[in-house]
Amino acid sequence: NSKVIQTPRYLVKGQGQKAKMRCIPEKGHPVVFWYQQNKNNEFKFLINFQNQEVLQQIDMTEKRFSAECPSNSPCSLEIQSSEAGDSALYLCASSLRQDSDYTFGSGTRLLVI
Amino acid sequence: GEQVEQRPPHLSVREGDSAVITCTYTDPNSYYFFWYKQEPGASLQLLMKVFSSTEINEGQGFTVLLNKKDKRLSLNLTAAHPGDSAAYFCAVSAATNAYKVIFGKGTHLHVLP
Repeated sequence: NSKVIQTPRYLVKGQGQKAKMRCIPEKGHPVVFWYQQNKNNEFKFLINFQNQEVLQQIDMTEKRFSAECPSNSPCSLEIQSSEAGDSALYLCASSLRQDSDYTFGSGTRLLVI
Repeated sequence: GEQVEQRPPHLSVREGDSAVITCTYTDPNSYYFFWYKQEPGASLQLLMKVFSSTEINEGQGFTVLLNKKDKRLSLNLTAAHPGDSAAYFCAVSAATNAYKVIFGKGTHLHVLP
């Protein structure tokens, strides 16, 4: 059982709809990452946080996603207007430090129809 | 930026045989290396984290070799068994951008009984 909890496990949305997923990092881990794993198993880094602050994010995330990691609440990643190409497994990971090994959640599998 | 190439994409071996998966990377200053195992529908499970100072790393049933001169990281399962069937991913922490790691595209290992 993963110590990083992601919900929901599966998410089905129509094109243009919002899609929101959540992540509870491992207790005591201030660093949180979001990755997208596509059907070819390729990982795309989306965004990372240290505590509540965004450290880095890619262009796509900045333009189309809304993400936050509030204190005492789950982190969240929300696609503002889903596209078919967003269908993927979204993995959240947390770590103690930026150079530590990550603990991954089980992921949220998004299908955009 | 850092690029990671993983080979082979698919690998089938007989039970008891060895299985070798290799990743090459481009940034000579990379200093943390990871191997993950992903079973179908499951999250990423950390097999081993390797520091750039250690060339030979022994795990349970596998060995990880790091050749810094050739910028090559390999995972060698010494006597594969059906439970090893999964996707394996290498990941490299880019020294110039330490807040994220770069993943290989994965190797689907199938161990035949």
